[in-house]
Amino acid sequence: NAGVTQTPKFRILKIGQSMTLQCTQDMNHNYMYWYRQDPGMGLKLIYYSVGAGITDKGEVPNGYNVSRSTTEDFPLRLELAAPSQTSVYFCASSTGKNTEAFFGQGTRLTVV
Amino acid sequence: GNSVTQMEGPVTLSEEAFLTINCTYTATGYPSLFWYVQYPGEGLQLLLKATKADDKGSNKGFEATYRKETTSFHLEKGSVQVSDSAVYFCALRSNYGNNRLAFGKGNQVVVIP
Repeated sequence: NAGVTQTPKFRILKIGQSMTLQCTQDMNHNYMYWYRQDPGMGLKLIYYSVGAGITDKGEVPNGYNVSRSTTEDFPLRLELAAPSQTSVYFCASSTGKNTEAFFGQGTRLTVV
Repeated sequence: GNSVTQMEGPVTLSEEAFLTINCTYTATGYPSLFWYVQYPGEGLQLLLKATKADDKGSNKGFEATYRKETTSFHLEKGSVQVSDSAVYFCALRSNYGNNRLAFGKGNQVVVIP
């Protein structure tokens, strides 16, 4: 009954460092998403994927990269961390059109 | 493009008070509409949804009706509890285009005993 699992839960990075936020789902969902949540700004879509091998940019993709080699996994890569990337990151998945998304618990990232 | 607008500012109210959170949307075609809730330190959870005009979504005492004529999906609860303190997000998913979920900015609700 895991659903969407994100790791790590918390991370502090120095400016210029890189890291990968992991996301895996066990519901066999085709659609997966990465959002960032900033105070008072709601959720902004970073990248999304409609199936293994297919990814596309969302509203705020700059500074991030993704890959989708399997249905289950959708990692988010930060290559050169910047303070503007301090945020809470949520991964989500859904079966497809007109269905709700299931969210992970989030990763709180601080860049100093 | 698709967008969701929620009323500004946090909402503070006393236990057993009536809660309304306004949500209006702009979308192509006939979107599905959702309310998500985020409890402190947790991810978003689906609270309720409606997939066509005049549908009413309901769950845990919360209700919202899909009003196409006013492009609205206001969330209501007749008697709130302290445990309802959370952030509430309105969202839509369109049938057309890239089918992404678009979220409003969210409303912090604080219920005081």
